[in-house]
Amino acid sequence: LAKTTQPISMDSYEGQEVNITCSHNNIATNDYITWYQQFPSQGPRFIIQGYKTKVTNEVASLFIPADRKSSTLSLPRVSLSDTAVYYCLPAGSGYNKLIFGAGTRLAVHP
Amino acid sequence: GAVVSQHPSRVICKSGTSVKIECRSLDFQATTMFWYRQFPKQSLMLMATSNEGSKATYEQGVEKDKFLINHASLTLSTLTVTSAHPEDSSFYICSAPDLYNEQFFGPGTRLTVL
Repeated sequence: LAKTTQPISMDSYEGQEVNITCSHNNIATNDYITWYQQFPSQGPRFIIQGYKTKVTNEVASLFIPADRKSSTLSLPRVSLSDTAVYYCLPAGSGYNKLIFGAGTRLAVHP
Repeated sequence: GAVVSQHPSRVICKSGTSVKIECRSLDFQATTMFWYRQFPKQSLMLMATSNEGSKATYEQGVEKDKFLINHASLTLSTLTVTSAHPEDSSFYICSAPDLYNEQFFGPGTRLTVL
């Protein structure tokens, strides 16, 4: 399973755009890149998933370069409620188990 | 999206007793479910893969006799922490993939062993 590296923590202010980059140098060819958000004392929640280039949904954008060795989660105009831990996970098809890295603890300040 | 529930949401027990935690997929069937444990300020650690109709697969270092897993039906997996001790106090989370292999996580169960 591909190992991931993310910044341990990030700080931002309300209204700013936040970009969290994850490196996954050994990602497998059939792996997608999935990002999850976790609030304290809750289970992780799916944010976005992609394979290549750019994916956008109502919550975030995901940028994946051609070599797929990294990915960047972009949160536009964050609010206090975006304070959470964000995890990136490469995950293949089939009922694969997910191995979580340390994640990035994002703190949004007023 | 699909919903996964856990029961109870929190439990306090005495040292030496056993505690059962249920994980249910509410609107989809899951032949596989996963159990995680999370200590404060740490990431989720995968404990085991629960397989409907067969034995669970445990991750290295996880005692199968201490953490009993039963996948009784296509919508229910249970984790029983046997002879719990204070060091077993943790946040236990389950997940289940739906038909499209999107993983949905339960809300977690906070176990406190006194």
